[in-house]
Amino acid sequence: AQTVTQSQPEMSVQEAETVTLSCTYDTSESDYYLFWYKQPPSRQMILVIRQEAYKQQNATENRFSVNFQKAAKSFSLKISDSQLGDAAMYFCAYSSGSSNTGKLIFGQGTTLQVKP
Amino acid sequence: KAGVTQTPRYLIKTRGQQVTLSCSPISGHRSVSWYQQTPGQGLQFLFEYFSETQRNKGNFPGRFSGRQFSNSRSEMNVSTLELGDSALYLCASSNRDRVDEKLFFGSGTQLSVL
Repeated sequence: AQTVTQSQPEMSVQEAETVTLSCTYDTSESDYYLFWYKQPPSRQMILVIRQEAYKQQNATENRFSVNFQKAAKSFSLKISDSQLGDAAMYFCAYSSGSSNTGKLIFGQGTTLQVKP
Repeated sequence: KAGVTQTPRYLIKTRGQQVTLSCSPISGHRSVSWYQQTPGQGLQFLFEYFSETQRNKGNFPGRFSGRQFSNSRSEMNVSTLELGDSALYLCASSNRDRVDEKLFFGSGTQLSVL
């Protein structure tokens, strides 16, 4: 069975600084997708970034980028120029590439605090 | 385009009762999946419906059930409520036309079981 682990329950960063959130996963599949979701106090899960396992290139979305190390099964999220609005809980998630998009396996989450 | 709508936002029930939660997906989306979020267990997949058929089911007891209607709206039902069922229940929708189709989440229903 696939598992996702986020070892940092809480992180904090100064506004305008850079922070990296860690995520490791375990799978025997070769085809899969990895995601970072943000959950602000409104509780709505918002997709931050997505990475296809077959792509060597790390995904980037504006100030958000990932460091995808397939062999190490590591998928970290880097937030550059942190803003107050980035404060939220961040979840790393896994989806099998061979089937269903509706089933995501989530990590336990990392609460990010952004200090002004 | 309206987002995923979940109703009600908050619900308080007592043990032994049953509850029905509703989810209206984004227009045109045919897949609806449900997740349970608790502080202890985190986010766990409940089930997915596509074109009125259950496609996937997570590891939850039979007290948890769902259905999807022809307009893609979905309902989730929990019977004989237990204290441990207190959680945020999130619904997500997608087109499901491609395997990497994005999921769009609603704001959830917060269920409290007393």
